[in-house]
Amino acid sequence: SQELEQSPQSLIVQEGKNLTINCTSSKTLYGLYWYKQKYGEGLIFLMMLQKGGEEKSHEKITAKLDEKKQQSSLHITASQPSHAGIYLCGADKGRGSQGNLIFGKGTKLSVKP
Amino acid sequence: EPEVTQTPSHQVTQMGQEVILRCVPISNHLYFYWYRQILGQKVEFLVSFYNNEISEKSEIFDDQFSVERPDGSNFTLKIRSTKLEDSAMYFCASKPRVDSPLHFGNGTRLTVT
Repeated sequence: SQELEQSPQSLIVQEGKNLTINCTSSKTLYGLYWYKQKYGEGLIFLMMLQKGGEEKSHEKITAKLDEKKQQSSLHITASQPSHAGIYLCGADKGRGSQGNLIFGKGTKLSVKP
Repeated sequence: EPEVTQTPSHQVTQMGQEVILRCVPISNHLYFYWYRQILGQKVEFLVSFYNNEISEKSEIFDDQFSVERPDGSNFTLKIRSTKLEDSAMYFCASKPRVDSPLHFGNGTRLTVT
């Protein structure tokens, strides 16, 4: 069965620093989603990637999907305390999946002021 | 911005009792989902619902679970006879089209004692 591995598991950065979170799949990704979860709260949608080589940006966050569609990265530029939280990657379970997503374990990000 | 709303935010119940978790998806959305997250573990898919019927369910979603859309706005998850291992955060999600990302609610924390 498909697994999503996220690295690192946790990350502490100084405010203003850049950081990258990775998500690697054991199988080809048909849809890759990045979410942010604050402690005890719901998942906030960040970005969706579907095509090999695709890259999307929103404010200071950039997500990429590699050409082989097995790895994605999330890059935050000039981190701020508001970026702190748990970042989850999720993927469609199959080509015809209609919202049945599998998730990674998450990367816990702390930003020191 | 429209949100997925879940009630209650926290529910405590005794083992063997029935519990109903309630969700109001975003109004123009057509696809509805329940996910759960056991403390410290990954977010897991339970069930998807479209056109008034279940479209997909996971192995977790056994005969003790049921879903219903009783009217044009609510979407419920019922657990008939709760077990200790049902303790988790339950997330409702919805989306407008098949190729859209999921929008999650803030979750209901279910504690079974």
